[in-house]
Amino acid sequence: GNSVTQMEGPVTLSEEAFLTINCTYTATGYPSLFWYVQYPGEGLQLLLKATKADDKGSNKGFEATYRKETTSFHLEKGSVQVSDSAVYFCAHRNQAGTALIFGKGTTLSVSS
Amino acid sequence: EAEVAQSPRYKITEKSQAVAFWCDPISGHATLYWYRQILGQGPELLVQFQDESVVDDSQLPKDRFSAERLKGVDSTLKIQPAELGDSAMYLCASSLDGTSNNEQFFGPGTRLTVL
Repeated sequence: GNSVTQMEGPVTLSEEAFLTINCTYTATGYPSLFWYVQYPGEGLQLLLKATKADDKGSNKGFEATYRKETTSFHLEKGSVQVSDSAVYFCAHRNQAGTALIFGKGTTLSVSS
Repeated sequence: EAEVAQSPRYKITEKSQAVAFWCDPISGHATLYWYRQILGQGPELLVQFQDESVVDDSQLPKDRFSAERLKGVDSTLKIQPAELGDSAMYLCASSLDGTSNNEQFFGPGTRLTVL
């Protein structure tokens, strides 16, 4: 069935460190892929997306590339900040192209 | 900036009681979603509306959960009776329509605790 698998957290980094959060998916065909971020006490916000193979989504210094060969969409950032501390969710659209299917989330904690 | 509104933000209830959550989507958004997020998990779809019609409620526990969007605008999700396992965050989201290219905007959620 359709699913998303993310690396387990928490991920703890020092400010300016390099970040990678792994995400792989199982789906029929080539779904759109998303990263959402949830800051403490807030709702989910779209961070970036990619709608077809080899697309690179980017926003606020974060990047992720749609890799159909490995069915992956890993999130990266070259230099994290304390303000990036949040829970990050990888997701894809289901077969009907409507509701999102989410991974379990990865908690990132950045210290100064 | 337009936002999805939800109320209440927090709800504590005893098992077997009835609870209701309200969601007001972004104006003009035809598609409305209710998701449930159990602590430590990602959100999972409960029900999806297109205007006032239910598009997908395959994961909604219909023996105790109900959802409506009578005028195709705001929506109410009800649980009766609540069970301990219903403790979770209930998220509402909306989008212009249900197609893949339209972003889903999420509200702040209602955190339900069942005692």
